[in-house]
Parts: sequence; structure tokens; C-alpha cells
Amino acid sequence: KNEVEQSPQNLTAQEGEFITINCSYSVGISALHWLQQHPGGGIVSLFMLSSGKKKHGRLIATINIQEKHSSLHITASHPRDSAVYICAATDKLIFGTGTRLQVFP
Amino acid sequence: ETGVTQTPRHLVMGMTNKKSLKCEQHLGHNAMYWYKQSAKKPLELMFVYNFKEQTENNSVPSRFSPECPNSSHLFLHLHTLQPEDSALYLCASSQTGEKLFFGEGSRLTVL
Repeated sequence: KNEVEQSPQNLTAQEGEFITINCSYSVGISALHWLQQHPGGGIVSLFMLSSGKKKHGRLIATINIQEKHSSLHITASHPRDSAVYICAATDKLIFGTGTRLQVFP
Repeated sequence: ETGVTQTPRHLVMGMTNKKSLKCEQHLGHNAMYWYKQSAKKPLELMFVYNFKEQTENNSVPSRFSPECPNSSHLFLHLHTLQPEDSALYLCASSQTGEKLFFGEGSRLTVL
């Protein structure tokens, strides 16, 4: 069993839908990263958070350290949000398997 | 453009070849990382350098040899690789404990 689990593995949505991706981890961490990987491989770091909630544009990330759980939300989803979303637990930088999101017009 | 540049973007090599991957960052970060991404597998951390010193070696085979001559450059020297080493190799940098900045990756094929 992976120390960092993501769900769902695959997600399809219609443009405009509200999307939630979940990440659960079993290791002790001081912070968690959310990453976005587009086809072709390039990875962008979306958030690094250690408590509470962070917001950037249409993206919101939350974390509950006690419950060892984090969520990434996308409001008003758009086809350009289609990518693989990966959570990673510091400090050992253990990565989840990723959630492949496809948003259709 | 993330500020982290990797070269080459694509590399094909035979099992007896010796080649190197290069990573460069001009973000003033003190930590640099090598990751491996194989098909259908999670990203795997390979090596971490903090202030040019290796602080993490995630049980990587010795046919992968990292080098960090200064805080802006990181190399991954490759020799006698196996076909199963074919993967996307990603470099990242950060200030220790802060957000990661990734390069575009070097896609390696070992024949």
C-alpha cells in the first residue's frame, strides 16, 4: 500500500463543474505539495500547504493534518485544467500515483 | 518557463553508452532534486542536494551518478543502463522547505 493515496485515479467532467481530488497519507509530514503535470511531462507546483486552506484563482487546497488528508478543488472547471494532479508528502517527498483529470467542453 | 532548464529533452542511448543529463536553475535556490517518472508509476525521488551536499540517496543503483558542482547546476551521469531505466527524469529546485520548481524533464530511452 502506497504511503500516499489519491482518489479518484481518473476523473472526467463537463466544463463548469466543481471538481474535488483527494489525497490521504500515512506518513508524518510537515507540509504537502499539490502538483499539476500536463501531457509532455512538464510539472507545475500549485500549492505547498501545512495547515488550513490556500486559494489561487479557481484552485483551492485544504489540508487536515490530524486526519492526514488533503483536497484539491477546482471551481468552474475548464478544458485547459485537463492534466494529472499529484500530491506529494514532505519531508521524504513521497508522491501519490496521480489523478488524471479530463474536462470536456 | 519555471526557471529550471533541463538538457537534453530527449536522449536515446545504448546499454554500453555513457551520457549525462544536465539541470540548471537561476532562481537562487539552495536545494536541487532528481526524480524518475516511469510509465504508470508515481514519481520517485532519486537524489537531493542541499547547498551542494547530497542529503538524500533514495537507494538508487550506482549506474546513476549525480554531481552538483555548485548550487545552480546538477548533473546525472548515466552508464551501463538497462532498458527498464527508460523513463522521464525530472529535475527540481527549491529553497529548503518551500515550493518546488520543476524542469520540463529529460525523456530517456535505453535500447
